[in-house]
Amino acid sequence: RKEVEQDPGPFNVPEGATVAFNCTYSNSASQSFFWYRQDCRKEPKLLMSVYSSGNEDGRFTAQLNRASQYISLLIRDSKLSDSATYLCVVREGLNSGYSTLTFGKGTMLLVSP
Amino acid sequence: SQTIHQWPATLVQPVGSPLSLECTVEGTSNPNLYWYRQAAGRGLQLLFYSVGIGQISSEVPQNLSASRPQDRQFILSSKKLLLSDSGFYLCAWSGAGKPRANTEAFFGQGTRLTVV
Repeated sequence: RKEVEQDPGPFNVPEGATVAFNCTYSNSASQSFFWYRQDCRKEPKLLMSVYSSGNEDGRFTAQLNRASQYISLLIRDSKLSDSATYLCVVREGLNSGYSTLTFGKGTMLLVSP
Repeated sequence: SQTIHQWPATLVQPVGSPLSLECTVEGTSNPNLYWYRQAAGRGLQLLFYSVGIGQISSEVPQNLSASRPQDRQFILSSKKLLLSDSGFYLCAWSGAGKPRANTEAFFGQGTRLTVV
């Protein structure tokens, strides 16, 4: 069974804090990796793709360790607007030859003043 | 630019009633289309995906069915709803053909279904 596991959360942090989310995936043949953000009662939206070399977008840094099947997301200088649920997402191949996205359950982040 | 429309936003239906949720995509051709469900406290579960008109694949056994009558239209249906069908239903699309690495999916705004 293909699984994507995340920290259960929620994470409660003050503004300005640095917070790290961890994720592991079970399918070693997984093709690509993403972090999505989901606000309360809204649809998930792509936050950033995760590349093998690691990548950074402003205050957000994503890293991938294929050998350990581990993905991380680091948020520096947290803002109130960062409060949301962060979803770890893995693209996996299907028997048809196509692929789809498998989602973790998400980790909720609450940033307080 | 591409957009995805999903309706209705919320729906309350009695047990045993039928269901029809519709999703349309604009600004792209031959997209891959997906239906996901997010139950309370659980992750997104893939229900169906489609790579073309009339082509539907199901990932889990269930009380629901899907159809793709037109290239950019994806419909989720049920003949008789169960209480366990309650959840947040999300339609999504990704680029045409066999998705290459780093091809993300884009979601509609979702339908929150409550079966009573």
